[in-house]
Amino acid sequence: DAKTTQPNSMESNEEEPVHLPCNHSTISGTDYIHWYRQLPSQGPEYVIHGLTSNVNNRMASLAIAEDRKSSTLILHRATLRDAAVYYCILKSQGGSEKLVFGKGMKLTVNP
Amino acid sequence: DSGVTQTPKHLITATGQRVTLRCSPRSGDLSVYWYQQSLDQGLQFLIQYYNGEERAKGNILERFSAQQFPDLHSELNLSSLELGDSALYFCASSAGDSQNNEQYFGPGTRLTVT
Repeated sequence: DAKTTQPNSMESNEEEPVHLPCNHSTISGTDYIHWYRQLPSQGPEYVIHGLTSNVNNRMASLAIAEDRKSSTLILHRATLRDAAVYYCILKSQGGSEKLVFGKGMKLTVNP
Repeated sequence: DSGVTQTPKHLITATGQRVTLRCSPRSGDLSVYWYQQSLDQGLQFLIQYYNGEERAKGNILERFSAQQFPDLHSELNLSSLELGDSALYFCASSAGDSQNNEQYFGPGTRLTVT
């Protein structure tokens, strides 16, 4: 599976938008971009995924660069509950369905 | 609540012992995955079952084994336990076997080996 690069950590303020970046310069044409997050003392939680087009769901939006070498997870109004470790993961078409977690990015939300 | 249940929540046992962790997937999900999370290794994929058959293997030790039963629940068996096996063990499930499927994780079992 291709590798992703995320900042180690980010801080945001409550009720403000947060943009979480992810670089994946070696992405292949059929790799899906998945985002998961892990809240303290909980199991990972699916957030969103996409292939080429931007995606929106009730939790977040995923903006994918035109060349697909980077993507941004957007939380429109951060809440204290969004404080978590966020993982950007590529899943290869035809490969295993397993998730390969990197170190992720710790998001701190300030009240 | 993800719909995935895991038991027990906590397990404390001694080195050399054997334990069984249990996972019930979300209703209708055919795939079950096991992951291990330790402080030094992070989250690592162990093994996947799809509709009762082993689908993929990751960094699973030979002392560990798993199975998925006809009712789709899964068990992870850990034997000859060592101190280094202390970790959080997560089970996840997904609907099928597509790259497009999201995985839903259970709350985990915290294993402490003393």
